[in-house]
Amino acid sequence: QKEVEQNSGPLSVPEGAIASLNCTYSDRGSQSFFWYRQYSGKSPELIMFIYSNGDKEDGRFTAQLNKASQYVSLLIRDSQPSDSATYLCAVSGNNRLAFGKGNQVVVIP
Amino acid sequence: KAGVTQTPRYLIKTRGQQVTLSCSPISGHRSVSWYQQTPGQGLQFLFEYFSETQRNKGNFPGRFSGRQFSNSRSEMNVSTLELGDSALYLCASSPGPTSGNTIYFGEGSWLTVV
Repeated sequence: QKEVEQNSGPLSVPEGAIASLNCTYSDRGSQSFFWYRQYSGKSPELIMFIYSNGDKEDGRFTAQLNKASQYVSLLIRDSQPSDSATYLCAVSGNNRLAFGKGNQVVVIP
Repeated sequence: KAGVTQTPRYLIKTRGQQVTLSCSPISGHRSVSWYQQTPGQGLQFLFEYFSETQRNKGNFPGRFSGRQFSNSRSEMNVSTLELGDSALYLCASSPGPTSGNTIYFGEGSWLTVV
């Protein structure tokens, strides 16, 4: 089982809709969870981090964490063409940050 | 406040050569970690340095090495380059050890091995 899994393929959403991304992790002892956005040809940039169960909102982004089920999700409300990117889930544990392979989001105008 | 600076940004090397990549962390950050990113494997952890000590190492062969200096700047070296080493190499810094801290990435060094 991979440490961090992001299984869904490319996600196409109409402009203004909600994009939903999911991530599962294997290490129950993980304490910190991050979402990064990466534009093509660029390096990842931090969008949000979450440490506690529940929801955390920051502008149009909401991160949701459920430690019992070992998943973390990211919602992007009112999706904009500028949100088209690959979103990477990262989980902290074992003295390092493990990344999923990412989910590509395409926002269609 | 300056971000994470990586040099060189782009480089082309020949198989069998070696390469050294440099990273200057955000001012005040003492932890530097390195990642390799390829289309097939995604972001893979190479190693982390904190206060000049390697804290953790990923599953890469011994051809990949690194070090950190007293000013927190870090270098990584890849010897005997192989075609499969072609990748984006990302450096990230954080105030303290990676666990529990947010890491911030530099723009990366694009390495092409021919």
